[in-house]
Amino acid sequence: AQKVTQAQTEISVVEKEDVTLDCVYETRDTTYYLFWYKQPPSGELVFLIRRNSFDEQNEISGRYSWNFQKSTSSFNFTITASQVVDSAVYFCALRETSGSRLTFGEGTQLTVNP
Amino acid sequence: DVKVTQSSRYLVKRTGEKVFLECVQDMDHENMFWYRQDPGLGLRLIYFSYDVKMKEKGDIPEGYSVSREKKERFSLILESASTNQTSMYLCASSLWAVMNTEAFFGQGTRLTVV
Repeated sequence: AQKVTQAQTEISVVEKEDVTLDCVYETRDTTYYLFWYKQPPSGELVFLIRRNSFDEQNEISGRYSWNFQKSTSSFNFTITASQVVDSAVYFCALRETSGSRLTFGEGTQLTVNP
Repeated sequence: DVKVTQSSRYLVKRTGEKVFLECVQDMDHENMFWYRQDPGLGLRLIYFSYDVKMKEKGDIPEGYSVSREKKERFSLILESASTNQTSMYLCASSLWAVMNTEAFFGQGTRLTVV
């Protein structure tokens, strides 16, 4: 069965620090899709990025970057020079090609202090 | 602008009541999902549906049922509400055929059972 683990329950940093959010997944499928979502205090989940299992190229978007390593089943998310507006709960999710199920991790509460 | 709309933002119900949570999407998505979110547990899948009248149990279906009579609408039913069903409920939708597309979420319904 598919599983996503986000071991960091809460992280607190000071503005301008870099921070990495960890995501480890389990799946039997050889093809699958990984996602990161942000949930600000307003509550609605906002999509950030997707990654296909056959594409291990890392991605950078502004202050955000993602490191996908198939060998360690990890899909980590780094925020560079964090800002107070980055404070939110961040979720990692997995979708296998064998079905429609979308499985989420426990989430990481990130607090960026001024 | 894509939209997933949940009928209520906040709901207070009494123990034993039958509760309906409604979700409507306007993106012609085949997949629809119901999750509950609890602190430290992340998003847990209750039920999902990949087509009209089709449904599959998620990880925590006990005490819940669902209905999908029309493609755009997915209802979550608490047959006899209990206090341990007090939670945030999130509805989402996604395309079935495009596996790497993200899911879109509603704003959530915070249900309190007293």
